[in-house]
Amino acid sequence: DIQMTQSPSSLSASVGDRVTITCQASQDISNYLNWYQQKPGKAPKLLIYDASNLETGVPSRFSGSGSGTDFTFTISSLQPEDIATYYCQQYDNLLITFGQGTRLEIK
Amino acid sequence: QVQLVQSGAEVKKPGASVKVSCKASGYTFTSYYMHWVRQAPGQGLEWMGIINPSGGSTSYAQKFQGRVTMTRDTSTSTVYMELSSLRSEDTAVYYCARAFGPQLGYWGQGTLVTVSS
Repeated sequence: DIQMTQSPSSLSASVGDRVTITCQASQDISNYLNWYQQKPGKAPKLLIYDASNLETGVPSRFSGSGSGTDFTFTISSLQPEDIATYYCQQYDNLLITFGQGTRLEIK
Repeated sequence: QVQLVQSGAEVKKPGASVKVSCKASGYTFTSYYMHWVRQAPGQGLEWMGIINPSGGSTSYAQKFQGRVTMTRDTSTSTVYMELSSLRSEDTAVYYCARAFGPQLGYWGQGTLVTVSS
C-alpha cells in the first residue's frame, strides 16, 4: 500500500501569512493527489485535485503543486475562515490513502 | 444537485454489527463509484473501501477485510456499509463519498457509530 507522509501535523500562523503544507508519497503516484479542508463537525471539502487544479468555487489563494512523490499545498494569504484541518489524499487503482492531516490555527 | 444523505446515529454493543446507508440523488447513481471513509474522535480520515454501484463490485482496505461488506440497491439509489464484530475502536463518524476519478467531490453528512457496552 502507498503511504502518505504529511507535514507539519499542526501549524500556527497569522492572518495574511503564506502557509505551506507538504505531502510525500511512498512511491510515484504521478499527479493523483488531492487536498481537502475539514472544519469541525463537517465533512471534508475538496479544494485541489490532480495535484494542482483548483476545484470550482474554491478561492484562488489556495494552490497545489508537485508530481511523483512530493507535493505542496499553499495558502497565499491566510484568512480567518481558513482555520481547519487539511488532508492530502492519493489514489492508486481504486485504493486511496489519506495523509495524517495538518491542523491549522490562527496565531 | 448532488446529495448524499446518510442514516442516523447508531449505538451498538461490542461484537454486534452495524449497517449504515447512503442515499444518493441528483445524478445517475450507477455512473459513479462510492467510497466509505471513517474518522475516529479527534483522529484523521481512514479509507475503508469502494463500491461500484453499477455492477456491485467492491474493494476493501486490508485492515477491514473480512469485517466490512459494501452493497448497493439500484432501485433506491442507496449504498450500504456493514461492519461486523464491532469493538470500541470502531467508534467513529462514517462517511460515504462519491468518486469522480481519483477525487471525492461529494460527501454525505456523516453517521456517528458508537460502540459501547
